[in-house]
This record gives sequence, structure tokens and C-alpha cells, in this order.
Amino acid sequence: DQQVKQNSPSLSVQEGRISILNCDYTNSMFDYFLWYKKYPAEGPTFLISISSIKDKNEDGRFTVFLNKSAKHLSLHIVPSQPGDSAVYFCAAQRGETSGSRLTFGEGTQLTVNP
Amino acid sequence: GAGVSQTPSNKVTEKGKYVELRCDPISGHTALYWYRQSLGQGPEFLIYFQGTGAADDSGLPNDRFFAVRPEGSVSTLKIQRTERGDSAVYLCASSSIGLAGDNEQFFGPGTRLTVL
Repeated sequence: DQQVKQNSPSLSVQEGRISILNCDYTNSMFDYFLWYKKYPAEGPTFLISISSIKDKNEDGRFTVFLNKSAKHLSLHIVPSQPGDSAVYFCAAQRGETSGSRLTFGEGTQLTVNP
Repeated sequence: GAGVSQTPSNKVTEKGKYVELRCDPISGHTALYWYRQSLGQGPEFLIYFQGTGAADDSGLPNDRFFAVRPEGSVSTLKIQRTERGDSAVYLCASSSIGLAGDNEQFFGPGTRLTVL
């Protein structure tokens, strides 16, 4: 039972344009959501997060939107840069404090073309 | 080092053998997690330690898998009678005690386990 799903295995965009990565979840007990970025042969690195009490969180070029009623979140990267090319994982958690497991989606490979 | 380290980076073993994978968390982090990532999938939770004790081991797939953290720092994931299906990248992460919003898990580079 895949509780967090990323339906697009890959996405290709031109440098300077917007990248939109999508994620859906099924477990209504999740109340904290995170995006991680992963380069080959490295562990995932934290990018941005959002609590379920918010619908938007912005950090520089990265914005995460949360639609609780649709159980959907998205990550917007604008403008996209070639260095953003990586696998992006959506993750969900029950509770904002640490000590709670992360449930990951399958990942989306983003390629930003110069 | 400043980050989470894992050894070895690669481990090749034969079916039926025993393996140990080591994780050194960030100094001062009391929470430690093990995840497993199979090809084309996202990381899958295995076990979580708070200090020396396993607070949640519900992700361990069966009793061939066991993990310890005897002094509340370094952790070892142990796999007995390895099977080909155990082949994956094993990721370790650590985090500090939870404050609201302070729940970022920092990941190590992983150990790639291949069971022949």
C-alpha cells in the first residue's frame, strides 16, 4: 500500500523555466510534509517542508504548496537551474517533532537542460 | 566529520552470509533511523532509535534483520542469512531531539549491499 505517490518518474525542463513536481498521499494522519533532493551516490538532502496548518511555504527559488482536501502537494522551482537536476522525493510524517518515520514517494528524476 | 557517515560504502556478499552495516550519526543527535532503498523506489523505513533503545522497529521485514545502538551513538544494522532480495542501498539518518518544526533528518551516503 503506497501511502505517498509521485506519479511522474521523470520531468525535463529548460533552464530558467518553472519545474513543478507533484505528490499525492492517502493517509490523513500525515501532518508534516518534506521534499528531499538526491544526487547519485549521495544520501537524500532536505530541501523544504510544510506543516499541515499551512498551504504554502517558500524558500528562495523553492515553494511547496499543500492542498489538504485533495491530499496533494507540489514543489515549484523557479527559475530552474542545471544544478537542480537530481531525484526529488516527497516524504510525509505524522507529527512535527522528530522521532517519527518518514514515508517516501518513489521519486521524480528532474533534468534541467541548459 | 560534520555529516552522517556509513561504512562500508559497498558490500558484496553471498546468499546465506551474515553482514553488518555501520552508521555514525551527527554528533549530539539522539535520534537515528535506518531506511532501505530498492532500485526505482523511495527509501523505506526500517527502524528508529531514540538514544540506545529502539523506539520503533516495525519496519524491519523479518527476524533476519536486527539493529543495535549500545552507547546511543554508532549503530549497526545486522542481516543474517542474507537473501538476494536484501540487495538495496541501506540509508542511515539522524536528527536532534524534536522541537516543533525541528525534525529534519540528515542522511548518510548509504551502503550498497549486493547479495549474489
